[in-house]
Amino acid sequence: DTAVSQTPKYLVTQMGNDKSIKCEQNLGHDTMYWYKQDSKKFLKIMFSYNNKELIINETVPNRFSPKSPDKAHLNLHINSLELGDSAVYFCASSLDGGNTIYFGEGSWLTVV
Amino acid sequence: KQEVTQIPAALSVPEGENLVLNCSFTDSAIYNLQWFRQDPGKGLTSLLLIQSSQREQTSGRLNASLDKSSGRSTLYIAASQPGDSATYLCAGGRGGGADGLTFGKGTHLIIQP
Repeated sequence: DTAVSQTPKYLVTQMGNDKSIKCEQNLGHDTMYWYKQDSKKFLKIMFSYNNKELIINETVPNRFSPKSPDKAHLNLHINSLELGDSAVYFCASSLDGGNTIYFGEGSWLTVV
Repeated sequence: KQEVTQIPAALSVPEGENLVLNCSFTDSAIYNLQWFRQDPGKGLTSLLLIQSSQREQTSGRLNASLDKSSGRSTLYIAASQPGDSATYLCAGGRGGGADGLTFGKGTHLIIQP
């Protein structure tokens, strides 16, 4: 069973569209994250949630809106997509912030 | 603001060699340090987690050390194998809550058969 799963794995869309990426973890963790890996492979945190509550919002444009319907799910919705949003988006989870963080396989977003 | 640097950016060694990957961080108040590997087109696989109160962790052929005073961590890989080829990422824990990790840019490792 996949511990942290995210869908879709690949997404190609046009500028200006709105898209969502879904994430689910079956590890019973309280904390979930979204990270972005840019074209230079640099990983940077975007958001973190703990028990459905937003904890970290790292100066991400407000076109990006995370939503956590329950502590096992953290979805990422992106409005008015721009070329610069092309990247790999990783969902992750941990029991709490001080423990091992487990990553999903990533969602490759290409904006054309 | 924590910054994490990894040297070298790329490394190619023959199979069987022991090797060391280096990671440095600017804020000694690091909460913990985690090493990951990333295979092409894949997510990150956690290798080792060292809490700030620990000096090292071992798993199989891997050993990671943490020296907060000097702002350094190393990942030692013994008897390298072609299957070890991947990008290795070092990340510093930003806090005990849901603060997440600050990543280095990784070391791309190639083990030549």
